[in-house]
Amino acid sequence: RKEVEQDPGPFNVPEGATVAFNCTYSNSASQSFFWYRQDCRKEPKLLMSVYSSGNEDGRFTAQLNRASQYISLLIRDSKLSDSATYLCVVNSNSGYALNFGKGTSLLVTP
Amino acid sequence: EPEVTQTPSHQVTQMGQEVILRCVPISNHLYFYWYRQILGQKVEFLVSFYNNEISEKSEIFDDQFSVERPDGSNFTLKIRSTKLEDSAMYFCASSVPAGASYNEQFFGPGTRLTVL
Repeated sequence: RKEVEQDPGPFNVPEGATVAFNCTYSNSASQSFFWYRQDCRKEPKLLMSVYSSGNEDGRFTAQLNRASQYISLLIRDSKLSDSATYLCVVNSNSGYALNFGKGTSLLVTP
Repeated sequence: EPEVTQTPSHQVTQMGQEVILRCVPISNHLYFYWYRQILGQKVEFLVSFYNNEISEKSEIFDDQFSVERPDGSNFTLKIRSTKLEDSAMYFCASSVPAGASYNEQFFGPGTRLTVL
């Protein structure tokens, strides 16, 4: 079983749409959860950490369900600039290594 | 805004040659990392480094790899005898531990390594 699984997409949505990405992880001992975004041939950029109670940052909302080992990201009012690959990331047992999913590709169209 | 920098941006080498990839982490960060991403695949952890020693390494980080912090600012990854399958984008990252469980890592722009 892969450590972090994501639907690869692509998700094609019009500007202004709401889109949700899901992710599952296999290590029940994981303590830290993140969403990163990655543009083509660029580095992963931290979008937001995901806290147990859920958290929001502008148009982005992240949720964590530890019982189901499931993380989600909701993007409201999509912009063209949101087009990227969204990476679900979970820390390892040791806390140092980050385990990345393969990413979900989002294309926002005019 | 402080950022992680990496040099070179692109390195081409012959199989069997040694390469050194360089990184300057964010200045007040304490933990340093190397990751790699083979084209079309996910980002994979290689090694973490704290207090001048390796704190964790993956199965990928075998004897041909080594890391060093030669001075107060640089953090390097050496690949002793490159193989074709080492061709990838190599990312350096750094972090400051923010409590026991959170570890937000910030990535450099990467070095694209091509082994011929």
